[in-house]
This record gives sequence, structure tokens and C-alpha cells, in this order.
Amino acid sequence: DAEITQSPRHKITETGRQVTLACHQTWNHNNMFWYRQDLGHGLRLIHYSYGVQDTNKGEVSDGYSVSRSNTEDLPLTLESAASSQTSVYFCASSEGTNTEAFFGQGTRLTVV
Amino acid sequence: RKEVEQDPGPFNVPEGATVAFNCTYSNSASQSFFWYRQDCRKEPKLLMSVYSSGNEDGRFTAQLNRASQYISLLIRDSKLSDSATYLCVVNDPPYNTDKLIFGTGTRLQVFP
Repeated sequence: DAEITQSPRHKITETGRQVTLACHQTWNHNNMFWYRQDLGHGLRLIHYSYGVQDTNKGEVSDGYSVSRSNTEDLPLTLESAASSQTSVYFCASSEGTNTEAFFGQGTRLTVV
Repeated sequence: RKEVEQDPGPFNVPEGATVAFNCTYSNSASQSFFWYRQDCRKEPKLLMSVYSSGNEDGRFTAQLNRASQYISLLIRDSKLSDSATYLCVVNDPPYNTDKLIFGTGTRLQVFP
């Protein structure tokens, strides 16, 4: 069965460190998204991609970057982790307009 | 004004009750509407799409009112297993039709 997986599921890191969260999907979807979820804010879009070599900034992109070198993967990098980036991160993929977005199980990141 | 607004709740209802949630959206050009369900500490999953003429899936009914820019979700005969957070989701045209904007969610708690 096709799926979307995130790793790690939990991570604790120190302020200032570079961190990369992995997202891998086997749906062969062109669209991939990274969201963060915080209490009171819901899901906020960080970055998204509509295909290989395409990346776009979402509403909360500062301090984050992504790259899309193949269809299956969209890793999210925190260049220099800050305590404000402590959150739950969800990766998602979709086929296109009007279609369901499938989510990974989430990565709980704590920056200390 | 937030792009997608929902009453955060919680809505506390007894088993068997009927409960309704509303959601308003700001982009009059939005074309795709969904309700997602999110259980505590889990990823969001599609509950149902919302079509212009309204649609039903078992105990769940979704309605769209384009003139007033709101969508609704009606749950009949509530079950304990319906306890979750319900996320209203719309797409973001005209340039990013595949980008989904999430509301902060409405929490439902069904009690025996």
C-alpha cells in the first residue's frame, strides 16, 4: 500500500543546531507540503512543492528550507533551531486540485 | 481576518445527539472544500469533501453556502468514537489551487 512516512517521530535538539526532518511518500504525488501545528494556531503551512525542483514558501517559512530532488522526498531543514520552532510537524502529499491530502504521522520536535 | 475560521469549542454532547459545526472562509474564489478529522496526537485524515449541492456520508452531512462563504458539518446520532477535532479546509486560488488552508479546528467530545 502507498504511504507517507516521516522520520524521526520524536527529536530533541539544542538551540542553534541544524535539524532535518524527513518525509517520504510512495503515492507518486507531485504535491508535497510541510505544516507545523501549535496550540491555538492549527496547521500552518511552512513550505510546499508542486514537483521536482519546485519549492515555495508558505505563511511561516522563516528559518526553514526544503529541497525537492525527486518525487518521493521533501526534507525540511531548520537552519539554526530556535525554541520557537518547538512544535509538531506534519508532512502531506496530494495528487492535485480537489483531491485528498494524505498526512504523515508527524514529528514532535523539541528545541531546548 | 483569518482565512478559515472555526469555533474552537469544545462541543460536549451526549451520545445520540445531533451536533453541527460551521466554518467561514475569506477567499471567495475558493473551489475545494473539505472536512478533516484529527484524533489527539494523530495526523489529520479526510472525513469528507464538500460539494456545492451538499453531500451526505452515513451520519455526516456537509453543506456549502457560497454566498455567505461558509461550510457546515452535521453529525447525527453521535457516537463516542466521534470525539475528535474537526478541521475545516479550503483551497487557495487563484494561483495556488492545490494549496490547502486549514482552520484551527473544532473539538467535539461525546459523552455516554
